[in-house]
Amino acid sequence: EVQLLESGGGLVQPGGSLRLSCAASGFTFSSSAMSWVRQAPGKGLDWVSAISGSGDTIYYADSVKGRFTISRDNSKNTLYLQINSLRAEDTAVYYCAKGYVSNGRFDTWGQGTLVTVSS
Amino acid sequence: QSALTQPPSASGSPGQSVTISCTGTSSDVGGYNYVSWYQQYPGKAPKLMIYEVSKRPSGVPDRFSGSKSGNTASLTVSGLQAEDEAEYYCSSYAGSNNLVFGGGTKLTVL
Repeated sequence: EVQLLESGGGLVQPGGSLRLSCAASGFTFSSSAMSWVRQAPGKGLDWVSAISGSGDTIYYADSVKGRFTISRDNSKNTLYLQINSLRAEDTAVYYCAKGYVSNGRFDTWGQGTLVTVSS
Repeated sequence: QSALTQPPSASGSPGQSVTISCTGTSSDVGGYNYVSWYQQYPGKAPKLMIYEVSKRPSGVPDRFSGSKSGNTASLTVSGLQAEDEAEYYCSSYAGSNNLVFGGGTKLTVL
């Protein structure tokens, strides 16, 4: 069964940092482009970042460039999102999804991890 | 990039058909055949229903269909069932390695 399981969310103060993880199973992770998509409470979906299967190609939404870093460890079948200089508007459920920005075809999603930015 | 425009709500009775629109520009919906549709139940992760405008992933009922005309994409749900009541989001590739989503449409089965 194809599965994605996020972790690492929590309550953080403005200006703080977190690292989100997404453990993948049931498919060839190293061959699969992966993305992060977030959803603020009661709001719509918002694409954040994408990374190729090899990790060589990375893209970010303008709203997170310079603050977020996507990476992956194919030996551990794990995707990461390092989020720095957190702002209140970064409060959201963060989903990892199997798929790439160039076609927007996200065929598998994790259950999400909640990041709350508040003092 | 601005979000794609979807109606906030849509509704239909069981057995009827309903169409949800997703309006963008020539820089996103109109410029690429990379429109996807997602279904989301409250508190759950989104599920891919349509990709590349009109293709259905394995396991998605053929009651769901997608189309595009100009800068507007559409999702049609035929033979509405109670289980179709959910939030639906469209997305489109927007060039320059960016992706935009619509604001979502709450589908109510009356």
